[in-house]
Amino acid sequence: SQTIHQWPATLVQPVGSPLSLECTVEGTSNPNLYWYRQAAGRGLQLLFYSVGIGQISSEVPQNLSASRPQDRQFILSSKKLLLSDSGFYLCAWTVVGGGGYTFGSGTRLTVV
Amino acid sequence: QKEVEQNSGPLSVPEGAIASLNCTYSDRGSQSFFWYRQYSGKSPELIMFIYSNGDKEDGRFTAQLNKASQYVSLLIRDSQPSDSATYLCAVIWGSARQLTFGSGTQLTVLP
Repeated sequence: SQTIHQWPATLVQPVGSPLSLECTVEGTSNPNLYWYRQAAGRGLQLLFYSVGIGQISSEVPQNLSASRPQDRQFILSSKKLLLSDSGFYLCAWTVVGGGGYTFGSGTRLTVV
Repeated sequence: QKEVEQNSGPLSVPEGAIASLNCTYSDRGSQSFFWYRQYSGKSPELIMFIYSNGDKEDGRFTAQLNKASQYVSLLIRDSQPSDSATYLCAVIWGSARQLTFGSGTQLTVLP
């Protein structure tokens, strides 16, 4: 069966520090991968998506970046965090012809 | 720009009642629609998806789609306190199957 792993679960980082969040999917090949952010009390905002290794599309210009070094690995990064980067970060996957997304358990990031 | 609108609520219903959640979308060409449930502090989980006009039933849940009115709804029959959560409507678009979410409706089922 397919599973998605996301870590860490919680993270507290100072302003200006770097960020690296990792997501891996098991049990499927060539998934579409997505990074979403949910600010407190708000809806889900699509940040990046990828349809293959090295293929990254950005939905919202910001100080975040994403990479897909392997088929089932998706990484969200920042060189210098801002206070406004705080939120609940969710990784998700789907496959072409499939149904909806499956989400990881999320990372709650607090920038202080 | 793809937009999905939901009543933010909160919506309160007594236990055993029918909860009705509504959603409208802006892109008339949208084909696939999803309902997710999100408990506080947790990630969203898929409840149902619907592609065709009409009703789709799964247990206590019924999704309804009216493409002419650009309207999709979710009915929860025999509501239980464990159904208390935020319900997110979502629409797929684009070649990469990007999902646009509504802001969610918070449902509380009162014992």
